[in-house]
Amino acid sequence: EVQLLESGGALVQPGGSLRLSCAGSGFTFSSYAMSWVRQAPGKGLEWVAAISYSGGTTYYADSVKGRFTISRDNSKNTLFLQMNSLRAEDTAIYYCAKSKSGWYDFDHWGQGTLVTVSS
Amino acid sequence: DIQMTQSPSSLSASVGDRVTITCRASQTISSSLNWYQQKPGKAPTLLIYAASSLQGGVPSRFSGSGSGTDFTLTISSLQPEDFATYYCQQIYRTPSTFGQGTQVEIK
Repeated sequence: EVQLLESGGALVQPGGSLRLSCAGSGFTFSSYAMSWVRQAPGKGLEWVAAISYSGGTTYYADSVKGRFTISRDNSKNTLFLQMNSLRAEDTAIYYCAKSKSGWYDFDHWGQGTLVTVSS
Repeated sequence: DIQMTQSPSSLSASVGDRVTITCRASQTISSSLNWYQQKPGKAPTLLIYAASSLQGGVPSRFSGSGSGTDFTLTISSLQPEDFATYYCQQIYRTPSTFGQGTQVEIK
């Protein structure tokens, strides 16, 4: 059974940093592209960042480019999102998501981790 | 960026009803469209990929159609467990973008 377990969400002040993790199991982690998708309270879904199966290629939404970094450690089956210069508008539940075959067809999602940016 | 517009934003329906949700892309996206279901407090789940392919384990009452710019998600006979919010997503071009969601409520 595929499982994705996020951690690292917290309350952080504007301008602060946070690192999210997503541990994958039940599949060959190193064979699939992975993404982070967020959902602000009461709002819709927003794709944030994606990384290729090898980690060699990454993509970012304009809203986080230059502030967030996606990475992965295939030896530990773990996906990361380093978030710097956090803003109030980054407040959201952050989901990690596994791609089915391409980049953005998400066939499995984690349960999400809440990031709150507030003073 | 490609804008995805869903209609309606919400609807009320009864168990057994046929429900149709539409999604329109701001430019052609071929068949590069997915549909997700999200229940309150839960992560989304993939229902339909490539516009019309049913994800494994999804009941056959769900179906998708369309190509180019106009797409449809149909629930042939609404069940109690189908009350949720539905999102379309284009995967034709980076950044991948979602529609604003359609909330399906109990009448």
